[in-house]
Amino acid sequence: LAKTTQPISMDSYEGQEVNITCSHNNIATNDYITWYQQFPSQGPRFIIQGYKTKVTNEVASLFIPADRKSSTLSLPRVSLSDTAVYYCLVGYTGGGNKLTFGTGTQLKVEL
Amino acid sequence: EAGVAQSPRYKIIEKRQSVAFWCNPISGHATLYWYQQILGQGPKLLIQFQNNGVVDDSQLPKDRFSAERLKGVDSTLKIQPAKLEDSAVYLCASTPGGYNEQFFGPGTRLTVL
Repeated sequence: LAKTTQPISMDSYEGQEVNITCSHNNIATNDYITWYQQFPSQGPRFIIQGYKTKVTNEVASLFIPADRKSSTLSLPRVSLSDTAVYYCLVGYTGGGNKLTFGTGTQLKVEL
Repeated sequence: EAGVAQSPRYKIIEKRQSVAFWCNPISGHATLYWYQQILGQGPKLLIQFQNNGVVDDSQLPKDRFSAERLKGVDSTLKIQPAKLEDSAVYLCASTPGGYNEQFFGPGTRLTVL
């Protein structure tokens, strides 16, 4: 059962790059790392997923070192609308394994 | 494409009463999940279905919680009887299967008095 640890909160300003790190020392071979964003009164929304090295999409980048015991979500040029809770999820959705969400990081973006 | 639908959105009950939540996943999604999210915490997986079979229910308090997914489509989650500590948001999510991203519904906020 992969347990994850994230910073409880982070503050940033509009236009800055934000990096949120998740620690998952017990990650298993089959586990993928997925990041979700959650606004109040809404369900989590998928941001990005990766297995190793670097993954980039239109909204974020995910950096995973060779030992896979941590990962870093990078949000370029954040805006006020990026204020939300960000969760790191480690697991294998193929069946049978528990999916473990982290404690979540509350990101606050200010002008 | 329609998203994951859940109802009701809010429910208030007295302790020891029963309650049921309904989830309609995205069409064609074989895998369905129920999560419990207590205020200030990350979602906790309660049960995972693959079509209409249970894949993982190891964290479901089976003495009071039950879930079913008839015909591999809609699902219901029931609590009977409810306790104060069951106050939480209950999230339903679905995926086509495999390593795909989960699509979450808006959740049902349960308050047990």
